[in-house]
Amino acid sequence: EDQVTQSPEALRLQEGESSSLNCSYTVSGLRGLFWYRQDPGKGPEFLFTLYSAGEEKEKERLKATLTKKESFLHITAPKPEDSATYLCAVQANRGSTLGRLYFGRGTQLTVWP
Amino acid sequence: GAVVSQHPSWVICKSGTSVKIECRSLDFQATTMFWYRQFPKQSLMLMATSNEGSKATYEQGVEKDKFLINHASLTLSTLTVTSAHPEDSSFYICSARVGGVESPLHFGNGTRLTVT
Repeated sequence: EDQVTQSPEALRLQEGESSSLNCSYTVSGLRGLFWYRQDPGKGPEFLFTLYSAGEEKEKERLKATLTKKESFLHITAPKPEDSATYLCAVQANRGSTLGRLYFGRGTQLTVWP
Repeated sequence: GAVVSQHPSWVICKSGTSVKIECRSLDFQATTMFWYRQFPKQSLMLMATSNEGSKATYEQGVEKDKFLINHASLTLSTLTVTSAHPEDSSFYICSARVGGVESPLHFGNGTRLTVT
């Protein structure tokens, strides 16, 4: 069964304190791995897509990396406005045209001044 | 800017009544839309896939007679929760793709349903 596990469940950082969030997955053929940011009471906001091991994407203070079994979201010198829940999702390569995504439970990040 | 618009953002209804939630794709046509449900501190669970002009595809365990989905046009999908009960209280979110199947999903801002 396809699974996505995110850790830690919650993370508190002081402003400027860099860290990483982990997303490990088991899927029968990875088509794509997606990172989203979700603010309280809002829908997820797309951040990155990674398609193959070794790939990296960057956006401001965020950098996503991918291996064959996991992905990391690195946050460099975070600011309070980076506080949110970060969701990871995988898409399996099963030949389906619907492109179903399997989501993890997310990591709730709090950055305090 | 947002590419998927969802309405209402929150709704409170009495047990036994029905509630309709709308999901619109902005500036693009979506032949397929996805409806998710999210409980506090839980992952997004796919409820159903909405297909324009045809019947929706429901995930295992989701009652199709309770969660009615209508995708009548290329820009609008609706989810109707029929005979709502307190256990249906949740956060419902729709999503769609701008491009092909490998493109990311873009989500609406969700609807918080509270059934009293």
